[in-house]
Amino acid sequence: ETGVTQTPRHLVMGMTNKKSLKCEQHLGHNAMYWYKQSAKKPLELMFVYNFKEQTENNSVPSRFSPECPNSSHLFLHLHTLQPEDSALYLCASSQGDRPTPGYTFGSGTRLTVV
Amino acid sequence: GDSVTQMEGPVTLSEEAFLTINCTYTATGYPSLFWYVQYPGEGLQLLLKATKADDKGSNKGFEATYRKETTSFHLEKGSVQVSDSAVYFCALSESKLVFGQGTRLTINP
Repeated sequence: ETGVTQTPRHLVMGMTNKKSLKCEQHLGHNAMYWYKQSAKKPLELMFVYNFKEQTENNSVPSRFSPECPNSSHLFLHLHTLQPEDSALYLCASSQGDRPTPGYTFGSGTRLTVV
Repeated sequence: GDSVTQMEGPVTLSEEAFLTINCTYTATGYPSLFWYVQYPGEGLQLLLKATKADDKGSNKGFEATYRKETTSFHLEKGSVQVSDSAVYFCALSESKLVFGQGTRLTINP
């Protein structure tokens, strides 16, 4: 399998649930990212990991907790979410933390909080 | 800070029409510029890029020229197809990738 793979593709969760999103890249990249895509809003960068170290956290609420155990895997742990957190969550990777070559994106997880 | 402003959508055209999606940017330095495309149910794919002034990026019949004097990177295609229906994002990078709000394009047969 190649590229960036995200699972699950769709997730419905209650506000008291705990769930995790998974991202896996097979490109040998060393930087990984979480983005949030909401309707009628620009893509929002949430977290950046470079060589497994978090290098950016864009004031994301603590109910979102990222984890990067190695350069190929990235998780986003979710707990006590709000309905306004419903969105498409996109994972991306790149070689280094410079985007000049462009990022490779996964297909996203469509999250609905009920 | 850096920002990208795209033409408001949605845009609806007939097949074989000429396409322009406007994009302008604000940056403190000399960013690289990108167009990404998102087909229904999928993530973003890099469509084309330009790394310095007067560069022209091109792919799949789409073109965009990096215009420093007008801080623009407009996307054009001479003859669109139904399969081009998607959301198009303009983006720039200096230290990180910054996206515009996206433009939804629908092509009717």
